[in-house]
Amino acid sequence: QSALTQPPSVSGSPGQSVTISCSGTSSDVGSYNRVSWYQQAPGTAPKLMIYDVNNRPSGVPDRFSGSKSANTASLTISGLQAEDEGDYYCSSYTSSSTLVFGGGTKLTVL
Amino acid sequence: QVQLQESGPGLVKPSETLSLTCTVSGGFIRYYYWSWIRQPPGKGLEWIGYIYYSGSTNYNPSLKSRVTISVDTSKNQFSLKLTSVTAADTAVYYCARLGCSSASCSAFDIWGQGTMVTVSS
Repeated sequence: QSALTQPPSVSGSPGQSVTISCSGTSSDVGSYNRVSWYQQAPGTAPKLMIYDVNNRPSGVPDRFSGSKSANTASLTISGLQAEDEGDYYCSSYTSSSTLVFGGGTKLTVL
Repeated sequence: QVQLQESGPGLVKPSETLSLTCTVSGGFIRYYYWSWIRQPPGKGLEWIGYIYYSGSTNYNPSLKSRVTISVDTSKNQFSLKLTSVTAADTAVYYCARLGCSSASCSAFDIWGQGTMVTVSS
């Protein structure tokens, strides 16, 4: 299985919105509403931010939202804050009942 | 509150077997899927495989020939074995729980802190 495709980096100023894309295929992202997003600060374990495309776990600010169109999922962070800086990974369930991650996107808050 | 803790050797010799255990505390291992994920230094996350508490498993096709994940419900633990390791297997290894919504069990909602494993002679 191939990794999902994410842009290596995105950036934005405080208060702005940024969107990170996650491109897959009809065997993963396109076929299931089972896309999740993770935030990873340096030296720490990833943290679940979005599950099942557009659901936020308790405690995750509503500035974080997810969506999906065809084979591409997206994570949007609105009202960008300095604490949002870090690496973001998407993940999807696949037709082989496996899971696959994206390559990761580094978010820089300018 | 459920917590996960990885344990095992931090150094493994090439061609040998990497063995790690994840201990689940604050909750039961039953009725969930449990997973191993790794992250080579400076690189992204790679899913290794998962196991259901009943023992059924599924693995990353690229690692399937070398990976075994097992569970011990009496000890609230699950384990990873990776055979014939090389330097490319050097990574931080995380254990994680696959949380379940009403729709699916496909998001890693609880993670261990991770343990660094270096493959070197």
